[in-house]
Amino acid sequence: QVQLVESGGGVVQSGRSLRLSCAASGVTFSRYGMHWVRQAPGKGLEWVAVISYDENYKYYADSVKGRFTISRDNSKNTVYLQMNSLRGEDTAVYYCAKAANAWGRYYFDLWGQGTLVTVSS
Amino acid sequence: DIQMTQSPSTLSASVGDRVTITCRASQSISDWLAWYQQKPGKAPKVLIYKGSSLESGVPSRFSGSGSGTEFTLTISSLQPDDFATYYCQQYNTYPLIFGQGTKLEI
Repeated sequence: QVQLVESGGGVVQSGRSLRLSCAASGVTFSRYGMHWVRQAPGKGLEWVAVISYDENYKYYADSVKGRFTISRDNSKNTVYLQMNSLRGEDTAVYYCAKAANAWGRYYFDLWGQGTLVTVSS
Repeated sequence: DIQMTQSPSTLSASVGDRVTITCRASQSISDWLAWYQQKPGKAPKVLIYKGSSLESGVPSRFSGSGSGTEFTLTISSLQPDDFATYYCQQYNTYPLIFGQGTKLEI
């Protein structure tokens, strides 16, 4: 079955860290760029970060640059988002999404179900 | 950064109607634009990519057009399953930007 499954969300205090994971199945994971996209409660979609198929290219939204790190393990078909120095405005459902090409700067043709991150003060 | 502006923000329509949603980019993005549909509590789903290409499995009542800075998503005959929120997204340059969304309601 072709799917992406996120995990690692939860409630965390402001200033603390959290790591999200996204496991892929049914796709040749190592051939595609991978993204994280988030959606604050009741709000629109915000792109967060991308990693190319070979990890050589990573880009971040300004809102998370310096605090979040995207990585991947192609042997485990998994992409990660390490989130440090969390703030209230990081509260959102976090989706991983597969790019329809290797480098990532493309549209998203497969999404996970999302994992909720709540940052409390 | 490129800004993406969708209109309208909310659209009321009926089953069988033809509807059009517009997305404008603050600078030219060629045809590097996708449209997504999102239902409450669910992940988005791609409908259109590269401005006008229909994603496999998406009904043909959905169509996209445009290039440069102005794009449209048209649903030719609304079905009950189409009531959802629609987002455009540019992938011409980083950061990738979504429009603010258009809620299509009955």
